[in-house]
Amino acid sequence: DVKVTQSSRYLVKRTGEKVFLECVQDMDHENMFWYRQDPGLGLRLIYFSYDVKMKEKGDIPEGYSVSREKKERFSLILESASTNQTSMYLCASSSGQGIYGYTFGSGTRLTVV
Amino acid sequence: GNSVTQMEGPVTLSEEAFLTINCTYTATGYPSLFWYVQYPGEGLQLLLKATKADDKGSNKGFEATYRKETTSFHLEKGSVQVSDSAVYFCARGSGNTPLVFGKGTRLSVIA
Repeated sequence: DVKVTQSSRYLVKRTGEKVFLECVQDMDHENMFWYRQDPGLGLRLIYFSYDVKMKEKGDIPEGYSVSREKKERFSLILESASTNQTSMYLCASSSGQGIYGYTFGSGTRLTVV
Repeated sequence: GNSVTQMEGPVTLSEEAFLTINCTYTATGYPSLFWYVQYPGEGLQLLLKATKADDKGSNKGFEATYRKETTSFHLEKGSVQVSDSAVYFCARGSGNTPLVFGKGTRLSVIA
């Protein structure tokens, strides 16, 4: 069964910590995405990547960075975690843009205290 | 820009009731349209999709028809079950841009 795997379901981090959220897909997809999900705001795109070592800013990139050193792995980095980054983070991958849809991971619920 | 608007929830229905969740999209280009479902504690799963006007997507008793004239892609199910309780997201995608999602509609089905 093909899947997108996020390394942690729940994380609690302290303000100011550097946080790494990992995402791995086994479908050989070119495209990978990071969203955050908040009540009343839906899904908002943070960063995405169409290929290894490339990245594009989404709608809310401030306070985040990403790394894609290998095709199957896309990491989201919170450089200095803040309480307003408490959220559900969802990783997704796809083999094409806008036509085939995405496969999502189960999400990481991050709490910054 | 591209956007998707779906009805706000929560929607509460009795088992076996008819479900409609409205979704409209901006008409720029020729988008593909999707419905995703998120069960409690899980990520989003693709429920159905349609790639051109008048296409009907269907899965698990859910249906949605791509209506270009009204820029709509409403989700329907004739008889909901308790197990359908979830959050439903409408999305559009086109060209080489990421999917744009609506804000989600929470459905609760009571026995």
